[in-house]
Amino acid sequence: GAVVSQHPSRVICKSGTSVKIECRSLDFQATTMFWYRQFPKQSLMLMATSNEGSKATYEQGVEKDKFLINHASLTLSTLTVTSAHPEDSSFYICSARDQSYEQYFGPGTRLTVT
Amino acid sequence: AQTVTQSQPEMSVQEAETVTLSCTYDTSESNYYLFWYKQPPSRQMILVIRQEAYKQQNATENRFSVNFQKAAKSFSLKISDSQLGDTAMYFCAFMIIPGGKLIFGQGTELSVKP
Repeated sequence: GAVVSQHPSRVICKSGTSVKIECRSLDFQATTMFWYRQFPKQSLMLMATSNEGSKATYEQGVEKDKFLINHASLTLSTLTVTSAHPEDSSFYICSARDQSYEQYFGPGTRLTVT
Repeated sequence: AQTVTQSQPEMSVQEAETVTLSCTYDTSESNYYLFWYKQPPSRQMILVIRQEAYKQQNATENRFSVNFQKAAKSFSLKISDSQLGDTAMYFCAFMIIPGGKLIFGQGTELSVKP
């Protein structure tokens, strides 16, 4: 199956700083990528849908000024958590969708804000 | 709005036995796909099986099969000959075609005991 990478896998940052997470589709072009947040023992919560070359569509309740999403190419989307606070600590997962509507997930990024 | 419900938060099964995980969904759409994803302790999301709503035949993938009851909006997953490696969180998901986003159920934590 197709491979999606995420970098970094773990990051620790100080409160007030910004963190960028990259999501890459390694062997296919993805016009649409998705960003999820997951708390322990809970389901994936969709944060936003990222379309190549256009603005991301955010889910209700997700602050678009805090979670900046850029989908600059068909293989790369980035999520930047701006002015991170401890409550932003979570597991962030990206996915990329191919033309058959199958979604491939990245391995996730564990963000800890101290 | 579309919803996906998994009513079994936790289940356990003995190795080599068969287990069925339940999932119901609600939609007024006629064209959609249904999925089961597995999330092992590594937290990598893995596609287990996919069912297109227009197909009457139940999907199977080796030891994994589904019972798709479209009228009842039910989509259960049967795991035969359970293996220790099947221990994971299992998520049922729904997607409207074309272009919809994945909507996940709450998840079922499955433990396979030796």
